[in-house]
Amino acid sequence: GAGVSQSPRYKVAKRGQDVALRCDPISGHVSLFWYQQALGQGPEFLTYFQNEAQLDKSGLPSDRFFAERPEGSVSTLKIQRTQQEDSAVYLCASSLFGTGGGGWGGYTFGSGTRLTVV
Amino acid sequence: AQSVSQHNHHVILSEAASLELGCNYSYGGTVNLFWYVQYPGQHLQLLLKYFSGDPLVKGIKGFEAEFIKSKFSFNLRKPSVQWSDTAEYFCAVNVAGTASKLTFGTGTRLQVTL
Repeated sequence: GAGVSQSPRYKVAKRGQDVALRCDPISGHVSLFWYQQALGQGPEFLTYFQNEAQLDKSGLPSDRFFAERPEGSVSTLKIQRTQQEDSAVYLCASSLFGTGGGGWGGYTFGSGTRLTVV
Repeated sequence: AQSVSQHNHHVILSEAASLELGCNYSYGGTVNLFWYVQYPGQHLQLLLKYFSGDPLVKGIKGFEAEFIKSKFSFNLRKPSVQWSDTAEYFCAVNVAGTASKLTFGTGTRLQVTL
């Protein structure tokens, strides 16, 4: 597609419920990132994939958070037993290259999924 | 680990005023530097980026930024703002030579009045 697509746009979950957030990156993009943006804050890194390999998951806040990208394209971020502090906008970004260098155009972000845990 | 500070949290300007938003970073090595903009209800968009070379970088919509290595700064400027520039602006860094994770500042909300 023309951009990074995320679904759903909005999700309301009851505390303790499991949720799954989907990201469709730009076709052919090697790198895929997940970020969490709390209200009034900048995005914070969660995890990074290069193709299907999860190369960095240092930003995942707890073992309730799990991400996968099994075929190197679509990615899913799963949050188990949601808690109120999980309420945030979850952003996905993709990049053509696996590493930087000349001509790298930067990341393209999706519009995000706003998760509200009640 | 790298960090980014944006000192202006909320800026209000009249149309045609000049803009400068501050950004300072902390990291012991070489970084790539970015400014992203988020218009109301829209996704983050890249305004401009610095990898190497000329420290004065020109981006879209008349924005520019200057990398001053000695000050660890990458301030965003625009000589004359428009009402349509009302948005949130984020400075970000990552480790040079990689497409690694971005570290963002907390953002500056710019409000341009008519």
